[in-house]
Amino acid sequence: GEDVEQSLFLSVREGDSSVINCTYTDSSSTYLYWYKQEPGAGLQLLTYIFSNMDMKQDQRLTVLLNKKDKHLSLRIADTQTGDSAIYFCAETTAARQLTFGSGTQLTVLP
Amino acid sequence: ETGVTQSPTHLIKTRGQQVTLRCSSQSGHNTVSWYQQALGQGPQFIFQYYREEENGRGNFPPRFSGLQFPNYSSELNVNALELDDSALYLCASSLMEPGGETQYFGPGTRLLVL
Repeated sequence: GEDVEQSLFLSVREGDSSVINCTYTDSSSTYLYWYKQEPGAGLQLLTYIFSNMDMKQDQRLTVLLNKKDKHLSLRIADTQTGDSAIYFCAETTAARQLTFGSGTQLTVLP
Repeated sequence: ETGVTQSPTHLIKTRGQQVTLRCSSQSGHNTVSWYQQALGQGPQFIFQYYREEENGRGNFPPRFSGLQFPNYSSELNVNALELDDSALYLCASSLMEPGGETQYFGPGTRLLVL
């Protein structure tokens, strides 16, 4: 079955880079996603990567995919206080449902 | 803003009652998925509707049911509410395409069962 794992907490200083890691188990995943959730809010799609890609860059966000190790990471450059939130990685399978990790709480310290 | 709306934003029910949650999809999307997010956890897939038919279901009992209407809006119905049904319920709309789809989420409905 599918299982997505993330570390629970990450703290960084404002201006530093943040790296949030995720591992997944379903090798048939077609797309892998990063969503952001602020307190009391729904999920905001940040970026996604197709499973045949190694890297995708979108402004301050860089996604790296290591398909051999089933490892996905999200790097946020020049992290700001507004980036404080919970970040979820998610995979889709042939069933087209999203399977989420339990989320990483990112805290940006001034 | 994703263009996905949900109502109501908050709801309080008692155990044994029934509840209906509503979702309006983003314009042009033909698929809606529902997720349950318990406190401190990631969302769990409940089911998906495509062109008014159920297109996949997660590990939820039959008392969780849904509908999708011709305008692609959707309802989630939960019967015989239990305390553990307290959660944030998220709907996501997407456009079903051969290569896959990207799901855009609404703000959620927070349900509290007492």
